[in-house]
Amino acid sequence: SQQGEEDPQALSIQEGENATMNCSYKTSINNLQWYRQNSGRGLVHLILIRSNEREKHSGRLRVTLDTSKKSSSLLITASRAADTASYFCALTGGGNKLTFGTGTQLKVEL
Amino acid sequence: SQTIHQWPATLVQPVGSPLSLECTVEGTSNPNLYWYRQAAGRGLQLLFYSVGIGQISSEVPQNLSASRPQDRQFILSSKKLLLSDSGFYLCAWSVSNRGRGGYGYTFGSGTRLTVV
Repeated sequence: SQQGEEDPQALSIQEGENATMNCSYKTSINNLQWYRQNSGRGLVHLILIRSNEREKHSGRLRVTLDTSKKSSSLLITASRAADTASYFCALTGGGNKLTFGTGTQLKVEL
Repeated sequence: SQTIHQWPATLVQPVGSPLSLECTVEGTSNPNLYWYRQAAGRGLQLLFYSVGIGQISSEVPQNLSASRPQDRQFILSSKKLLLSDSGFYLCAWSVSNRGRGGYGYTFGSGTRLTVV
């Protein structure tokens, strides 16, 4: 089963700036999901975007999906120190089985 | 509302000892259940998933096994731990879906296992 590859691996920004993370994949997908993981904790589901959707919003989060380029991006606007975490994209294989990439480590500094 | 419980939070076990990690879900029925392992600074590796009682699919051949004795209970076990079994173990559940997928996972808080 395939997994997404996040880029960059690490990102450091100042509070108030926007953070953009990208995910690329190689084969067709049914949907793509983004998760957040605070250090030493479980993952939290952020957004699910289906293959027939191009953009979704949730609060300060914006996810885009370009199936022709096999890529997705997660934008966090007006970042806060509390956004410091690792962010993962996840792809759905058969039977709702998710495979995860290695993540982007975001650090938001005051 | 649905909740997922995973315990213990941390565990230090000697090499060769047995392992039993338990995960239970409340507030839903017939969930899909999953065990993942995360090495330090790495992504998640799917170990096992289950779509029903007694139905276990293994993703990676290894020193571990899983069981689902009840609808909302998922257990990860080992008869003899290896050093390489150290890691962060996460249980998760999702809505049962036999179609194209499309449901987010809810994760437990994880178990940090250190084999010494």
